This record gives sequence, C-alpha cells and structure tokens, in this order.
Amino acid sequence: GAGVSQSPSNKVTEKGKDVELRCDPISGHTALYWYRQSLGQGLEFLIYFQGNSAPDKSGLPSDRFSAERTGGSVSTLTIQRTQQEDSAVYLCASSLVGGSRGEQYFGPGTRLTVT
Amino acid sequence: EDQVTQSPEALRLQEGESSSLNCSYTVSGLRGLFWYRQDPGKGPEFLFTLYSAGEEKEKERLKATLTKKESFLHITAPKPEDSATYLCAVHPYNQGGKLIFGQGTELSVKP
Repeated sequence: GAGVSQSPSNKVTEKGKDVELRCDPISGHTALYWYRQSLGQGLEFLIYFQGNSAPDKSGLPSDRFSAERTGGSVSTLTIQRTQQEDSAVYLCASSLVGGSRGEQYFGPGTRLTVT
Repeated sequence: EDQVTQSPEALRLQEGESSSLNCSYTVSGLRGLFWYRQDPGKGPEFLFTLYSAGEEKEKERLKATLTKKESFLHITAPKPEDSATYLCAVHPYNQGGKLIFGQGTELSVKP
C-alpha cells in the first residue's frame, strides 16, 4: 500500500518568508508526527497528533512554528518568518495507534533551505 | 533526562565481516526501543521494535537484542546493500508519541 508522502520534496525560500510543508499519512493511521533532521544532528521531535488534536507540541522550537491536522488525515507544518537555522529536513511519520506501541513509519521528508 | 547514545559513529566492514552496532539509553521508563535504517536522501525505514529486556528479533542478516541499558544490532555476513545509517530510538513513558533518537551509526560495507 501507499506509504507516507510529503510535499514538496525540496523547498528553497528566502529568510523572512513563510513556508508550508504537507504530510499525507498512511490511510487509517490515527497518529501523526513531525520531526526535524539537521545536518550532523539526530532526529528532533516537533509535534504529535492523535486524530486532529495535538497532545504534545513540546518540540516546536518557537512560536514561528505551527501545525494542524484536518479530517484525521493530512497535516500541514507552517513556519513563519523563516530563519537560516530553520534549514533542515522535515520528516513526517504516522502510526496505526498513538502513544505506546505504534511503530512509526516515515515519509521521504522535505528538505528546506533558507537563504 | 532521557538520552540515547549510539556507537560507533561510523563503521567500515568488508563484505562478510560480521559486527555489532551499540545503542545505549537512559530513560525513566521504556515503552519500546526502535531500530531504523536510513539511506541517503530518504526517510528512516522501520526495522524492529523491542519491548523488554531479553527480547530478540531477526530480519535477514540483522538481529536486534535488548538489555535494561542497551540494545545491539548484530549484522551477520553483511553485503554492500546493507550500507546505510542505522538509527536507534526510544519511546519513554509519559512522553506521548515522542521518540528520542540517537545520532546514528553510518555503516559502509565494501565488496
């Protein structure tokens, strides 16, 4: 079946612009996660959705970052007034169930470059 | 503080030369430990989940084991196509769905 898809695959933007990154999870997966992977860094958790609610937003680095999920499916991560330190690969993952024992399946990522 | 440390950072093997990758962790309580494989330019690919000390899982040339403080990913008679970065992650209690990842081990297998 289809895996997690993300768009765009690459995004180059100028400092100060807003960007939107999209994630389509595996059909039927109730939980959705956003992570960030910077050069030389491990994967860093950003936010977790269970259905359309976000019980854990603890990883969002600043109030410039926000995310929403609609219809228990597609999610959008928005970064406002982008900064150079926002350059990274943004990865989305989904799991059949949230919390305890759901294996997370990742998409290919969106590579964001802020110039 | 929950933490995951992987070693070595990089490992070069000859085809057929077996070895092990280490993942040491410190968590207040472990719901599960995950192993992923990541190829350049791609998202992590799920390999294994381990839930309790003593548990082992195998897939082709890979075997993952778990103790109370660390996990090993054993690779037997590796092939060049096993070259990738291997990521370890822990799922702590009271952290919702959050996984905490190690920095990864970059494995290169030469023919």
